[in-house]
Amino acid sequence: KAGVTQTPRYLIKTRGQQVTLSCSPISGHRSVSWYQQTPGQGLQFLFEYFSETQRNKGNFPGRFSGRQFSNSRSEMNVSTLELGDSALYLCASSLEVATSVYEQYFGPGTRLTVT
Amino acid sequence: QKEVEQDPGPLSVPEGAIVSLNCTYSNSAFQYFMWYRQYSRKGPELLMYTYSSGNKEDGRFTAQVDKSSKYISLFIRDSQPSDSATYLCAMTRSGGSYIPTFGRGTSLIVHP
Repeated sequence: KAGVTQTPRYLIKTRGQQVTLSCSPISGHRSVSWYQQTPGQGLQFLFEYFSETQRNKGNFPGRFSGRQFSNSRSEMNVSTLELGDSALYLCASSLEVATSVYEQYFGPGTRLTVT
Repeated sequence: QKEVEQDPGPLSVPEGAIVSLNCTYSNSAFQYFMWYRQYSRKGPELLMYTYSSGNKEDGRFTAQVDKSSKYISLFIRDSQPSDSATYLCAMTRSGGSYIPTFGRGTSLIVHP
């Protein structure tokens, strides 16, 4: 099976711009989660989508949004970019292996730099 | 105080050494414990997960959970230069949100 793919891999944007990142999960996985990873804060959960519905949400401002399509592909959008949004954005697709236990498979990430 | 604490390192060891990586946590509701490995410029990769207390072994890797001390460990035997990576612990609650809470990761360097 192909792994989780994310596009683009690298992105440079200017403050105030908006950006859209894309994630294709492993075939058959219906849950897609997004994380922000920075050296200072580590991995922080943004949101999770399941069957096109946002099922969980982390503590990020409304500038961060996402959606999931019927084929489970997901996009996240960040509007009005700030310097502090520079980070590695990771997408993970999940498979439930036991009750309330999910194995998460991460993509390679999109490295976003805001100047 | 963060819910999950992990020393960022770096931890530098010679090839063949036994490596011990650790996390402490504050929330006693955590029941499922995971270890991920992340190579530079890659996403995290799930190594192992365990439920509640006890040990789990997979090849050179052993995961250990001590719920009474709120302390988990990952041991790597006969460490190799290819083990050089960042190791992240993660944990989830039973019956609650299954979204894991991650430690910040420990950077491991195994030198030949």
